[in-house]
Amino acid sequence: AQKVTQTQTSISVMEKTTVTMDCVYETQDSSYFLFWYKQTASGEIVFLIRQDSYKKENATVGHYSLNFQKPKSSIGLIITATQIEDSAVYFCAMREVAGANTGKLTFGHGTILRVHP
Amino acid sequence: GALVYQYPRRTICKSGTSMRMECQAVGFQATSVAWYRQSPQKTFELIALSTVNSAIKYEQNFTQEKFPISHPNLSFSSMTVLNAYLEDRGLYLCGAKTGGARAEQFFGPGTRLTVL
Repeated sequence: AQKVTQTQTSISVMEKTTVTMDCVYETQDSSYFLFWYKQTASGEIVFLIRQDSYKKENATVGHYSLNFQKPKSSIGLIITATQIEDSAVYFCAMREVAGANTGKLTFGHGTILRVHP
Repeated sequence: GALVYQYPRRTICKSGTSMRMECQAVGFQATSVAWYRQSPQKTFELIALSTVNSAIKYEQNFTQEKFPISHPNLSFSSMTVLNAYLEDRGLYLCGAKTGGARAEQFFGPGTRLTVL
């Protein structure tokens, strides 16, 4: 069965610094998709970035990038030049190929990020 | 762009009553819709997966008798929480995607259910 684990419950950083959030996953599939979402204070879930397991190059979108270490089943999220508005709960999620067409995502428990001025 | 709307955003119901929530996809075809419940502790539970023209698949601990879902077309889905009790409270999220393994899944803002 698939499982996603985020060990960091919360992180506090100063504005304009770089933060890394950890995520490890378990799957029996050889192909899968990994996602990071953030949930704002209003509850809205916003897609940030994805990594397809067959791609070796780490994904980068804006000031988000991923540290994909497939042998360790790890997909860390790196946010550079953090801003106050990056404060949110960040969720790591995985979709196995078996569930790909239906959209079944397995989520981690989330990491609260607080960015201070 | 692709957007997902959910209605209502918040609802309060008395214990033992039922409430219906809706999910609408705009700008793309919602071939598949996944309904999740996020507990007050922030954990996500998948309730069911719905694909147009296919049977709705419920996860363990969730049943059609309790959470009937309708997915009549490529832009709309609804779910009802029947006989709601305190343990049903939470944020109900609709995640919609087009067909294809790599397609993005877009989430609505959720319906927050409070049960009195």
